[in-house]
Amino acid sequence: GAGVSQSPSNKVTEKGKDVELRCDPISGHTALYWYRQSLGQGLEFLIYFQGNSAPDKSGLPSDRFSAERTGGSVSTLTIQRTQQEDSAVYLCASSLFGAPFTDTQYFGPGTRLTVL
Amino acid sequence: AQSVTQPDIHITVSEGASLELRCNYSYGATPYLFWYVQSPGQGLQLLLKYFSGDTLVQGIKGFEAEFKRSQSSFNLRKPSVHWSDAAEYFCAVGPGINTGTASKLTFGTGTRLQVTL
Repeated sequence: GAGVSQSPSNKVTEKGKDVELRCDPISGHTALYWYRQSLGQGLEFLIYFQGNSAPDKSGLPSDRFSAERTGGSVSTLTIQRTQQEDSAVYLCASSLFGAPFTDTQYFGPGTRLTVL
Repeated sequence: AQSVTQPDIHITVSEGASLELRCNYSYGATPYLFWYVQSPGQGLQLLLKYFSGDTLVQGIKGFEAEFKRSQSSFNLRKPSVHWSDAAEYFCAVGPGINTGTASKLTFGTGTRLQVTL
């Protein structure tokens, strides 16, 4: 199969609005990760799912950010009351096992979020 | 805490020339190391990875990398660069097996490669 897919590919929103970003991992992959790529900050880890639970949310920058995963598959990253500093490319990755293994993570094409 | 340093922000090489991109890491145990490439508008593609064993690892597109524990380095090399190699390259480190922690990756800030004809 298919690789990791993300939607939308681009999202432009106004400051203060909520946005939802979607990730479809590779079928059968139990681990799912969200990263953020912004200018000057590089790639930052946001959250990690093992199945439907999130044992590591340490990278979420504020309580405006949340994520869920359902059916051990699709994940949604929600940003409430968006701010201009949230503008970035949000990347999703999946891997077959996850912790305690460090197996290969396969990345999606990303969602470019622009907050005006 | 683990960290990755890519000291070169931007490198320009001529097509056909050799390439070496530097990566230094800081980690308390044996790390798992990765190189990814990102072409404009694309996601990250895995070039190669080191988990254990032979310290010289071969990857896709003719790339290789060598793990040097004594220097805490994992430099990426290619003997002859092609114009299509122009992209951004990221080195990443992850925890080794059985750490019990989430296997999140810590990335370097990337090296942008420009190839001149």
